[in-house]
Amino acid sequence: EVQLVESGGGLVKPGGSLRLSCAASEFTFSSYTMNWVRQAPGKGLEWVSSISLSSTYIYYADSVKGRFTISRDNAQNSLYLQMNSLRAEDTALYYCAREFCTNDLCYSHAFDVWGQGTMVTVSS
Amino acid sequence: EIVLTQSPGTLSLSPGERATLSCRASQSVTSSSLAWYQQKPGQVPRLLIYGASSRATGIPDRFSGSGSGTDFTLTISRLEPEDFAVYYCQQYGSSPYTFGQGTKLEIK
Repeated sequence: EVQLVESGGGLVKPGGSLRLSCAASEFTFSSYTMNWVRQAPGKGLEWVSSISLSSTYIYYADSVKGRFTISRDNAQNSLYLQMNSLRAEDTALYYCAREFCTNDLCYSHAFDVWGQGTMVTVSS
Repeated sequence: EIVLTQSPGTLSLSPGERATLSCRASQSVTSSSLAWYQQKPGQVPRLLIYGASSRATGIPDRFSGSGSGTDFTLTISRLEPEDFAVYYCQQYGSSPYTFGQGTKLEIK
């Protein structure tokens, strides 16, 4: 079964750092653009960042630019999100999400496979 | 940034009824790069529609999407009990790849 499993969330003080990980299985990880999407408690979805197959193209939401860094290790089938200078408004469930592909095309920033998420709480 | 505004915020209907959910963009969405997702409580989002009108694999044909430019619609032709959930539209044509605020479809 295609699976994404996030880890690394927790409680951190404002200004602190966390590194999230996402382990992929049962698909060719290196063939997909990968994304992080977050959801604050009781709120909607917010795209955070994406990274292309070979890490050539990386994009961030303005809300995290300069503070978060996305990376991947295709040999380890893993996606990462280094989060620095964390703020209360970064409190959310962070999902790892795979780009959606049909037989013909891939849509880098639509998502068909999601992990269960890892919770990040920023509070003093 | 393209802002997506969904309406209504909450829609109260009965099983068997037709649901029409709206998503309006602040500027034209590139190449109809518009998706719809369903999210049930405690679950991850599920991709329903991509390209404004194409159903993802395994999505029942009671779900249909339409629209272009700045106005998009998700229609559920006959509501089943399992369809009551929150629905999000998302544009994936230009960064940042924004979501609407969601429409909650609840049982009347």
